[in-house]
Amino acid sequence: KAGVTQTPRYLIKTRGQQVTLSCSPISGHRSVSWYQQTPGQGLQFLFEYFSETQRNKGNFPGRFSGRQFSNSRSEMNVSTLELGDSALYLCASSLTGQVNQPQHFGDGTRLSIL
Amino acid sequence: QKEVEQDPGPLSVPEGAIVSLNCTYSNSAFQYFMWYRQYSRKGPELLMYTYSSGNKEDGRFTAQVDKSSKYISLFIRDSQPSDSATYLCAMIHHNSGGSNYKLTFGKGTLLTVNP
Repeated sequence: KAGVTQTPRYLIKTRGQQVTLSCSPISGHRSVSWYQQTPGQGLQFLFEYFSETQRNKGNFPGRFSGRQFSNSRSEMNVSTLELGDSALYLCASSLTGQVNQPQHFGDGTRLSIL
Repeated sequence: QKEVEQDPGPLSVPEGAIVSLNCTYSNSAFQYFMWYRQYSRKGPELLMYTYSSGNKEDGRFTAQVDKSSKYISLFIRDSQPSDSATYLCAMIHHNSGGSNYKLTFGKGTLLTVNP
């Protein structure tokens, strides 16, 4: 069974640009969550999608947005990029997002802002 | 005060040693506890998942939860060089209804097991 797939693996952007990251969950998984990982703050929750609807949101500015498609694939968009957005962005999937279902992570997209 | 505190290390041990990794938390609403292992340039991989206080064992790994002290531990017996990674504790504070949860992570402890 294929795991969570994130593309691209690496991305370099400049300040002010926008970026879109993609996540394909494990087959059959309908809940997709996004996290930002930095050395200073660790792993922080961005948002969670289920059935094309955002169900849960972390404490990030509105520049961070996402969406989910009918096949459960998800995209995350960051607009007006800032230097502090440099991070590893991780996607995780679970069957339906219930508390008794562990989340499985992809290997992330490493975003560098110049 | 951060919700979840974890000593970042680094922790360096000889092969075969018993490793103890710990996290403390401040929010008594956390109900589910996990340990993830993250190798360099990889995503976190779930190792252990527990709900109740007490111990849970899986091979060389034992997870311990003490809700009264708000303290969780992961023990690794007979540690191997392949155990060298960052270990992250994570907790769930779920809303009523059993869904819509998010993971709150510790910052991770970097472990090196030397051959």
